[in-house]
Amino acid sequence: GAGVSQSPSNKVTEKGKDVELRCDPISGHTALYWYRQSLGQGLEFLIYFQGNSAPDKSGLPSDRFSAERTGGSVSTLTIQRTQQEDSAVYLCASSLDGTGGAIDYGYTFGSGTRLTVV
Amino acid sequence: KQEVTQIPAALSVPEGENLVLNCSFTDSAIYNLQWFRQDPGKGLTSLLLIQSSQREQTSGRLNASLDKSSGRSTLYIAASQPGDSATYLCAVRPMDSSYKLIFGSGTRLLVRP
Repeated sequence: GAGVSQSPSNKVTEKGKDVELRCDPISGHTALYWYRQSLGQGLEFLIYFQGNSAPDKSGLPSDRFSAERTGGSVSTLTIQRTQQEDSAVYLCASSLDGTGGAIDYGYTFGSGTRLTVV
Repeated sequence: KQEVTQIPAALSVPEGENLVLNCSFTDSAIYNLQWFRQDPGKGLTSLLLIQSSQREQTSGRLNASLDKSSGRSTLYIAASQPGDSATYLCAVRPMDSSYKLIFGSGTRLLVRP
């Protein structure tokens, strides 16, 4: 697609429920990233995909968080047994390539999913 | 460890003023630097991307400069408008972990009518 698409844009869930957040990156972008931004805080790196593999999952806060990417395209971030501290805006981004280099086209972010755990 | 700092944290100016936002980073080994805009509760919109070999980039009323050796970048906004009110973030793409952008904490800009 023309941009990075995230769904849902807003999600309110009860504590203890599981949620799935979806990211559809720009077509042809091999690298995909998830970040989290809590209220008034900076961006926190969660996970990076290159193709379907995740070389760096170091930012996932706990084992309640998992992510997958299929077909080198759509990614799903799953949060199990949600807690109130999971409330944040979850941002997905994609780039042409995650390996950097002399010429790079930068990140393109989606509009985010605002998750509220009540 | 790469650290990115943005000064000031907040800025309020009257409409029409020219203004400069500052970004500094501790390690000059970067591939590029990217400036983003974020409106409240929204995602990030890319404004300008400067490759490490470049000195500046321009888009409309925006001009971003990069001095890699001194670890500094500035975002210049000409003739500011109330619609420019947002948080501006800079991020560097370091060579030692090229996939992970390192973000500053942002400058919150308010342009008063």
